[in-house]
Amino acid sequence: NAGVTQTPKFRVLKTGQSMTLLCAQDMNHEYMYWYRQDPGMGLRLIHYSVGEGTTAKGEVPDGYNVSRLKKQNFLLGLESAAPSQTSVYFCASSSHSYEQYFGPGTRLTVT
Amino acid sequence: GENVEQHPSTLSVQEGDSAVIKCTYSDSASNYFPWYKQELGKRPQLIIDIRSNVGEKKDQRIAVTLNKTAKHFSLHITETQPEDSAVYFCAASKGYSSASKIIFGSGTRLSIRP
Repeated sequence: NAGVTQTPKFRVLKTGQSMTLLCAQDMNHEYMYWYRQDPGMGLRLIHYSVGEGTTAKGEVPDGYNVSRLKKQNFLLGLESAAPSQTSVYFCASSSHSYEQYFGPGTRLTVT
Repeated sequence: GENVEQHPSTLSVQEGDSAVIKCTYSDSASNYFPWYKQELGKRPQLIIDIRSNVGEKKDQRIAVTLNKTAKHFSLHITETQPEDSAVYFCAASKGYSSASKIIFGSGTRLSIRP
């Protein structure tokens, strides 16, 4: 099993550009999450999903959209990137709300 | 909503000594409290967790204690080793709930001095 994978690993965007981050899991988990990690801020929840076709807002959802069309995939979109969105993005999945398995992260820089 | 506070933000201990990291949570309905370890440049990984029906749990050199009345929980690492150097995150959640999600503390950077 690959566990949780993220694509891409690194990306540099210019202000105003758009992009989609892909998260995939092969553990048949119901719950999936997107976090951002900034120095000294810990892990902040952007959006999450409790099942295929469902999404919900987390702590810091502004500027991001998500979709969960298939159970194994959770997409995070930035429609118009801003420098404040420079961060490391982690995807995670879990069976209900217990142990979360994290992906390797995506380092995004917005110039 | 749930709020999790963690302290200290940085901690330096001599190799072989013990380290303690403390967290408090705000939502009395929380019933699951995991601890994650994140090494430099790596993803967070679960090291130990505790559920609300248990007051203490141990796994070799690490232990977690929970005081539900005071809404406190702590991570204890004994006989620290260089490989314990990392950032540690506590978290809290309501477990099985259709609207549940885990809220993380801000992290503690633990350094082990040789």
